Formats: sequence, C-alpha cells, structure tokens
Amino acid sequence: GQQLNQSPQSMFIQEGEDVSMNCTSSSIFNTWLWYKQDPGEGPVLLIALYKAGELTSNGRLTAQFGITRKDSFLNISASIPSDVGIYFCAGFQNAGNMLTFGGGTRLMVKP
Amino acid sequence: GAVVSQHPSWVICKSGTSVKIECRSLDFQATTMFWYRQFPKQSLMLMATSNEGSKATYEQGVEKDKFLINHASLTLSTLTVTSAHPEDSSFYICSAKWATVTQYFGPGTRLTVL
Repeated sequence: GQQLNQSPQSMFIQEGEDVSMNCTSSSIFNTWLWYKQDPGEGPVLLIALYKAGELTSNGRLTAQFGITRKDSFLNISASIPSDVGIYFCAGFQNAGNMLTFGGGTRLMVKP
Repeated sequence: GAVVSQHPSWVICKSGTSVKIECRSLDFQATTMFWYRQFPKQSLMLMATSNEGSKATYEQGVEKDKFLINHASLTLSTLTVTSAHPEDSSFYICSAKWATVTQYFGPGTRLTVL
C-alpha cells in the first residue's frame, strides 16, 4: 500500500544535539501521528496532530502539521540516550480507518 | 489511558501447528482493532481491520483462511495463524481505536516457527 516518504532513514547523533525528521506525501492527510518504537516493542504514540498548521509539543518533542496537509515534521531537542529507537510518522485520510505509515527513522544517540 | 495488551509476547511453535494471539484494550472499548505484521528493519504492514461483531477486512495479499481474526467483544480481538510455517515467523502487532482516528498499539508478539 501507499507509504509516506519519511526522512532521514537513519541518524547517528551526539547526545545533546537536536534532531529533525519529516514525512511528506503527494496526497492530503487530515491527521498526522508520530510514534516511537523501541526494539521488540509496539509503537508508542508521541504526538497527534489534527489541524493544518498545528504545532504541538510533548516535553522535548515538537511536531507540526504542515499547512499544505501534505507533510509533518518532528523535532527532538537536546537528545539523550533513551531517545534511541525508530520513529514512525502515520497519516490518516478520510477514507476508512486505515493509517498510512512512513518507512521510519532509526535514531542512534552516542553518549 | 489507552492501554493495549497482547498475549503472548513471544511464542515458538513447530511447523504445521496453529498459534493464537490475543489483543485486548484494557481501559477503553475499541470500536476497531487492527493487525499488523512487521519484518526486521521495516515499517508496519497492515494485515486486516476488524470491527466488533463483524468479519474482518483483509488487505490484499493476506490469506484470510490462514490468518483467522475474531473480534468477539469491544475489548478483545484474536489472530490465529493456522498451519504455521517458518515464513510466518514475524513480529505481529495489534492496535485499537475508539472515537478518533488515533490508534494505540499493543507491545507486539514475536512468532518463531521452527
């Protein structure tokens, strides 16, 4: 099925650095969700965005719903080792119940 | 709130046997539950969508006779992998939703078929 274009695919950064990742699509989405998945675990919801232009924070995480409704980004400030994991964006269009997932961004943080 | 559990968390079985995985929404009633499959280093692949009391809707390429889904109540859905083979080995994750589109995921079940 359709996937969102998520980038970068992986990042290796130093502890304390800021991180930015984004998802883009050629189609309009009405909801954007960001999840984090630790190894061997299910994805955990980080931030949900329901309105174009919306900017929402959750601790050191900030995500925005693009004004065109075709993109979203997630920023992590002052990264720490426990930020390591795979981050997935997911979008919802009006048809049906399905979420469309990005390919994931694998984040590695060097202490 | 919005806690989803899965049982078992991991299972090893012999080829040809059937395995049942349970997905429960612990603190809400899920109008819809979803089953995903995830291969190493890949994104989640939706297998099927199920609504309580009705037949599941399977994604293209997913064999409904092999992956039996039962959504008997608003808090429980089960996935049975019938006559499992080594190629069915994977990480199976369920999710659940109620009023909004936001899906809450279970912790996953790792299936290894010998």
